[in-house]
Amino acid sequence: DGGITQSPKYLFRKEGQNVTLSCEQNLNHDAMYWYRQDPGQGLRLIYYSQIVNDFQKGDIAEGYSVSREKKESFPLTVTSAQKNPTAFYLCASSIALAGGYYEQYFGPGTRLTVT
Amino acid sequence: AQTVTQSQPEMSVQEAETVTLSCTYDTSESDYYLFWYKQPPSRQMILVIRQEAYKQQNATENRFSVNFQKAAKSFSLKISDSQLGDAAMYFCAYRSLKMNYGGSQGNLIFGKGTKLSVKP
Repeated sequence: DGGITQSPKYLFRKEGQNVTLSCEQNLNHDAMYWYRQDPGQGLRLIYYSQIVNDFQKGDIAEGYSVSREKKESFPLTVTSAQKNPTAFYLCASSIALAGGYYEQYFGPGTRLTVT
Repeated sequence: AQTVTQSQPEMSVQEAETVTLSCTYDTSESDYYLFWYKQPPSRQMILVIRQEAYKQQNATENRFSVNFQKAAKSFSLKISDSQLGDAAMYFCAYRSLKMNYGGSQGNLIFGKGTKLSVKP
């Protein structure tokens, strides 16, 4: 089945440690995205990538880093510089359809808890 | 910058009844897309319905329909014949047709969500 996978579903880390969240898609989508979701905040864009080896900061990129070495993969690293890393992280990908419309598909998410 | 506002943090509806979720947005653009996403307790984001701004006709998907008022910048979601499985967080989202680097322009901008409860 085609889709987006994120692993693991739950992740626990100690404060001060970097942690990498995995996102893989087999939909052959060019664009991929990372969102952060906090209670009462909706989804906020962290980073996005329109093409391999290129990515751009979103609205809340501080304390995060990404890479896009392969079309299928867009891992997100939460660094120790991120002040409040505990959150739910969603990965998405999109494909361009007719008329400039991009439909985003979401992965199941990773719940990161840092103590 | 564009913003999306959902003024109802929580809503409740009786099973089989109709409920309307509100969404307003702010933009200076004339061409864009609007979406409603559903996030059930599993937290998987599911696209419910989309509306192209250039279309005057309101989008409809089975029991879900929208009331798109472009001049008022309003985009409400109506759920008819509510079912227990409709209970979820609902997010309104905006997407510009522009694809500029350096920010979220061209990507989805979400409201803070409305939690819908369905009573049996």
